[in-house]
Amino acid sequence: SYELTQPPSVSVSPGQTASITCSGDKLGDKNACWYQQKPGQSPVLVIYQDRQRPSGIPERISGSNSGNTATLTISGTQAMDEADYFCQAWDSSTVVFGGGTKLTVL
Amino acid sequence: QLQLQESGPGLVKPSETLSLTCTVSGGSISSSTYYWGWIRQPPGKGLDWIGSIYYSGSTYYNPSLKSRVTISVDTSKNQFSLKLSSVTAADTAVYYCARHVSLREFDPWGQGTLVTVSS
Repeated sequence: SYELTQPPSVSVSPGQTASITCSGDKLGDKNACWYQQKPGQSPVLVIYQDRQRPSGIPERISGSNSGNTATLTISGTQAMDEADYFCQAWDSSTVVFGGGTKLTVL
Repeated sequence: QLQLQESGPGLVKPSETLSLTCTVSGGSISSSTYYWGWIRQPPGKGLDWIGSIYYSGSTYYNPSLKSRVTISVDTSKNQFSLKLSSVTAADTAVYYCARHVSLREFDPWGQGTLVTVSS
């Protein structure tokens, strides 16, 4: 079965750039998306179709997808960006989620 | 603005069937392009897709749960439902419903409902 691999945790200083990766076989050939989940809240879509932002998502959140890796990039990271982030793709008629990455803003 | 709301028992006994309903408001469940999905999240863990359904009744299921899962849709009530049979403590989780856009991303999500499996 298809798998998506994320680092369990990423740390970043306020104002710096955070990058969270999601790896899977030929992931660049699929549509990847990303969700942000804060404690006690439902996941929120922040990137879809590799690099598209839903309305209301700030421009400092961006995405890319090539080869075997999709990347979520948060520029000028703020305390409010501290959350769990999950990548997701569709493969062989199934939804696959990455294991999630906890972003800590130090 | 589309909203989804899960409802159902918060406590289910082992070996019984978990039943949840998702009510969609602010839009029609019969819209083309959209599927409607169930996702769960065990406490402190990641997201686990259960399955998705189209308004016509066409379904996709997680292979690991397929033998125990039934998802159905009631277009007259703008609702879709989940049944998970033979539950164990491992099925304890927050259960979310969400709109599944073109079998790609999920947006938006319901608020989630905690279901605990315990005697």
